Amino acid sequence: EAGVTQSPTHLIKTRGQQVTLRCSPISGHTSVYWYQQALGLGLQFLLWYDEGEERNRGNFPPRFSGRQFPNYSSELNVNALELEDSALYLCASSLVAGLNEQFFGPGTRLTVL
Amino acid sequence: QKEVEQDPGPLSVPEGAIVSLNCTYSNSAFQYFMWYRQYSRKGPELLMYTYSSGNKEDGRFTAQVDKSSKYISLFIRDSQPSDSATYLCAMSMEYGNKLVFGAGTILRVKS
Repeated sequence: EAGVTQSPTHLIKTRGQQVTLRCSPISGHTSVYWYQQALGLGLQFLLWYDEGEERNRGNFPPRFSGRQFPNYSSELNVNALELEDSALYLCASSLVAGLNEQFFGPGTRLTVL
Repeated sequence: QKEVEQDPGPLSVPEGAIVSLNCTYSNSAFQYFMWYRQYSRKGPELLMYTYSSGNKEDGRFTAQVDKSSKYISLFIRDSQPSDSATYLCAMSMEYGNKLVFGAGTILRVKS
């Protein structure tokens, strides 16, 4: 069974640019979560999508947004990039909403110069 | 004060040792407790998943949850160099779905 996949693996952007990260959940999983792992800050919850709807949002500014498609894949968009957005962005999926076993993908490493 | 406290280490042990990793938390609403292993530049891998208080064993790994003390532990028996990684505790409130992570403990098992 294929795990959670994310693309791209690495990205380098400059301040002020916009970026889109992509995630495909494990087959059969309907919930997708996004986390940010920045150096010194640990893993922090960003967004949770289930059945195409945003269910919960972490303490991040509105320039972090996303969506979930009918096939349950998801995008994370970050506008007006800032240097402190440099981090590993991790996507996780769970079988159903309300189930707390979350399985993570390999992440997308974003560097903002 | 952070919701979840975890000693970042590094913790260095010889091969074959029993490893004890711990987290404390402040929010009594947490009901689900997890341990993840993360190798360098990789995504976290779910190791153990427990609900409420008690013990759970899976091979060389044992997870313990003591809700009265707000304390969770992961024990690794017969540690191997391949266990060298960062171990993250995580927890969630019932139906909350957001995972709150500890800072992670770096473990080094020396052969």
